[in-house]
Amino acid sequence: DAKTTQPPSMDCAEGRAANLPCNHSTISGNEYVYWYRQIHSQGPQYIIHGLKNNETNEMASLIITEDRKSSTLILPHATLRDTAVYYCIVRFDSGGYQKVTFGTGTKLQVIP
Amino acid sequence: GAVVSQHPSRVICKSGTSVKIECRSLDFQATTMFWYRQFPKQSLMLMATSNEGSKATYEQGVEKDKFLINHASLTLSTLTVTSAHPEDSSFYICSPTGATNEKLFFGSGTQLSVL
Repeated sequence: DAKTTQPPSMDCAEGRAANLPCNHSTISGNEYVYWYRQIHSQGPQYIIHGLKNNETNEMASLIITEDRKSSTLILPHATLRDTAVYYCIVRFDSGGYQKVTFGTGTKLQVIP
Repeated sequence: GAVVSQHPSRVICKSGTSVKIECRSLDFQATTMFWYRQFPKQSLMLMATSNEGSKATYEQGVEKDKFLINHASLTLSTLTVTSAHPEDSSFYICSPTGATNEKLFFGSGTQLSVL
């Protein structure tokens, strides 16, 4: 099972891009990388996920290195509402068996 | 997106009592249910995984006789904390997933406080 590591906290100026790194050096070939965020005392909110290729949606971009041992979540224009804890997650899903491993999370503080 | 209903959102109970937490997937069939526990300022920790109609698989260190999981249908799973003690006070989150779900869905969580 892959284990993910993240920096415990980061600051970002409002309007600037926030780049959140994640290491998953033991990830296997069929494990996906997911990013979620959590605001205090709520359930995690989906942001984006990918396997090998870089992904982009209306919320963020996900950059996965070619060796898949690390990834970066990019919030292109951070707002105050993006202040939250961001979790990098690895998910294994095969033949009905699933395993999900949460990272330690990065507390992102967006500063006015 | 899929809707997950988890309740109660908050419960306060006396030590020694049992508390049941329900988790429903409202618009998809949850073949697998993950139950997490989260202590303040920590990440989510997986407690157990259950597949519909099967016994749950518990993570190391989680007592199966204390945290009873029932996943009898594809839309409902329950977690019962039996004989709760103050150290069981935590935020509990369910995460149902179906065979075709690309995303992981999470309940809104239950804050359990044991006095």
